[in-house]
Amino acid sequence: AQSVSQHNHHVILSEAASLELGCNYSYGGTVNLFWYVQYPGQHLQLLLKYFSGDPLVKGIKGFEAEFIKSKFSFNLRKPSVQWSDTAEYFCAAPYGGSQGNLIFGKGTKLSVKP
Amino acid sequence: EPEVTQTPSHQVTQMGQEVILRCVPISNHLYFYWYRQILGQKVEFLVSFYNNEISEKSEIFDDQFSVERPDGSNFTLKIRSTKLEDSAMYFCASSPGASYGYTFGSGTRLTVV
Repeated sequence: AQSVSQHNHHVILSEAASLELGCNYSYGGTVNLFWYVQYPGQHLQLLLKYFSGDPLVKGIKGFEAEFIKSKFSFNLRKPSVQWSDTAEYFCAAPYGGSQGNLIFGKGTKLSVKP
Repeated sequence: EPEVTQTPSHQVTQMGQEVILRCVPISNHLYFYWYRQILGQKVEFLVSFYNNEISEKSEIFDDQFSVERPDGSNFTLKIRSTKLEDSAMYFCASSPGASYGYTFGSGTRLTVV
């Protein structure tokens, strides 16, 4: 079955530390991949997306992600986190079907200590 | 920036009652979705809607649930005979096309007591 796996349930970092959140997907077709962020008490917001082309994707707020086809991975990175990056991060991939419904990973909660 | 609007932000209902969750998608979007997130768990797909009909639904979306786009503007999720386990945050989303990133609403927190 199609699935999205996020390796880390909770990550705690100090400000200025580098971040990498893992995401693996199992999907045999055309790959569209997304990272969403959910700040405390807020709704899901799109951070970045990969459809095709350059496997290194730049998103908002200094985030980037790299699509590695051979590893079925789409890890999220940020070189230097800030306290305001404290949030939950969700990787998502199409569920299948022509409408591209998304399935989400279980999420990784990021806590950044000031 | 265009938004997806959901009302109410919080709804408390008694078990067995019917609730209607309302959403106003972005006006030029064509695809509409409902997702839910039970506290502490992942975001789960419920249903997608395109061209005035359900295009796909998950196992969660059983006969208890229905969706409607009554007036070309609103997109509603109806839950009949609510159960305690229906308590969750329900998110509406819309998209201009298949496989594009969605724009999510701020959610309705449904509490069934």
